[in-house]
Amino acid sequence: KQEVTQIPAALSVPEGENLVLNCSFTDSAIYNLQWFRQDPGKGLTSLLLIQSSQREQTSGRLNASLDKSSGRSTLYIAASQPGDSATYLCAVEEAGGTSYGKLTFGQGTILTVHP
Amino acid sequence: ETGVTQTPRHLVMGMTNKKSLKCEQHLGHNAMYWYKQSAKKPLELMFVYNFKEQTENNSVPSRFSPECPNSSHLFLHLHTLQPEDSALYLCASSQDGGGHYGYTFGSGTRLTVV
Repeated sequence: KQEVTQIPAALSVPEGENLVLNCSFTDSAIYNLQWFRQDPGKGLTSLLLIQSSQREQTSGRLNASLDKSSGRSTLYIAASQPGDSATYLCAVEEAGGTSYGKLTFGQGTILTVHP
Repeated sequence: ETGVTQTPRHLVMGMTNKKSLKCEQHLGHNAMYWYKQSAKKPLELMFVYNFKEQTENNSVPSRFSPECPNSSHLFLHLHTLQPEDSALYLCASSQDGGGHYGYTFGSGTRLTVV
């Protein structure tokens, strides 16, 4: 059974710092990995989608890498801002057969960026 | 707005009530999903619909009954719920039955069962 772990569970930093959020998964047979952002009491906003054949994706100040063989992904946030404060979720979709459409989520990293 | 709209945003219901959650997308997606997010637990997949056909029921109790009349609309009918069913219920859609192009989530319905 796929398990997804995110470290750290919570992170509090001053504005301007560069951050790394970590995600690990137990079964490397994945179809893709997606990073989401969730603001308190709200739904999920997709940040970056990495297909299994890709090594990284970038969007603005965000960069996500994927090392499928070791079961790891990192989300790098450059020059953090208070508006980046949210919970960041990592989710993997397993490859093959009946696994399509099933995302397994980590518990998230709660990020707080202080002005 | 992400293109996936959920109503209502908040719902309080008694254990003997019957209510329905609605999800609507006009992204041209063919697959829709219900997820449950309980406090201090990861999101859990409940149901998957692909081209209006249910392809997954993740061992969800029968007090939750999904309905997908067309590829743009998804409902979750609720009856005789328990307080532990209180959670954020999220709807998502994708272009195909998998996530090759990623998933789009709605803002969720916050359900409280009293």
